Amino acid sequence: EAGVVQSPRYKIIEKKQPVAFWCNPISGHNTLYWYRQNLGQGPELLIRYENEEAVDDSQLPKDRFSAERLKGVDSTLKIQPAELGDSAVYLCASSTHRDLSSYNEQFFGPGTRLTVL
Amino acid sequence: AQSVTQLDSQVPVFEEAPVELRCNYSSSVSVYLFWYVQYPNQGLQLLLKYLSGSTLVKGINGFEAEFNKSQTSFHLRKPSVHISDTAEYFCAVSPISSGSARQLTFGSGTQLTVLP
Repeated sequence: EAGVVQSPRYKIIEKKQPVAFWCNPISGHNTLYWYRQNLGQGPELLIRYENEEAVDDSQLPKDRFSAERLKGVDSTLKIQPAELGDSAVYLCASSTHRDLSSYNEQFFGPGTRLTVL
Repeated sequence: AQSVTQLDSQVPVFEEAPVELRCNYSSSVSVYLFWYVQYPNQGLQLLLKYLSGSTLVKGINGFEAEFNKSQTSFHLRKPSVHISDTAEYFCAVSPISSGSARQLTFGSGTQLTVLP
C-alpha cells in the first residue's frame, strides 16, 4: 500500500511570493490533516478535512493561508504571500474514520520543507 | 485543552546502553497517548500507543512505554539502543472524547543520538 505522498519535498522562495503544497492521502482515507512543524518543535495542526469538508481550521492563518480538498481526495495548501516566519516543514497526514468510536491511526507523509528568504 | 512536555530536548547515549525519554502531559479529560519517531527528512512514524488496558505498552523496534495516570506521565524506554535508533522522538496525546484520535497535540520532541 502506498503511503501519503507530498510534493514538492523542498521549496525555496523569496518573501511575498506565493507557494503551494500538494498532498495525496492513502487510498480510502477520508480524513486529511495539514500540520506545520517549526524547527525544533512538534507538529501543530493547521486544518483537518473530513472528506471534502474542512471541519477544524481554527489554527489556519486565514489572511494568507488557504486549503482545498476537491472531491475528498487530494489536497492543496497555499500561502500567499509568504513571510519569513512561514519557513517550516509542512506535513500532511491521513486516516480513516468510518467508525468514530474507535481509534484510527494517522499516517504521515514525508513533508515539504519550505524556506522563505 | 491539552499540553505535552518533553523534559529533555537532547539525549545522547552510547550504543547498547539503556535509554529513557520522558513525557508529561496535562489534560482535563482522559486521553490516548502516543510516541512517534521521525528520522531525518522523513515523516512521523507511530512507535507505540496507549488506548486502554495494561499501562505497559510495547511498540516497534524494542521500545516500550508505561502510562502513569497519577503522575500524568508516559515515559519511553529501551533496554539497549542501536545506532539506527538515532532520531527525533515525539510524545503526543489526543482526547478520548474526540473519537479515533483525530486531535493530536505534540510535545516539542527529544533528539536521541546514539554514540558508537
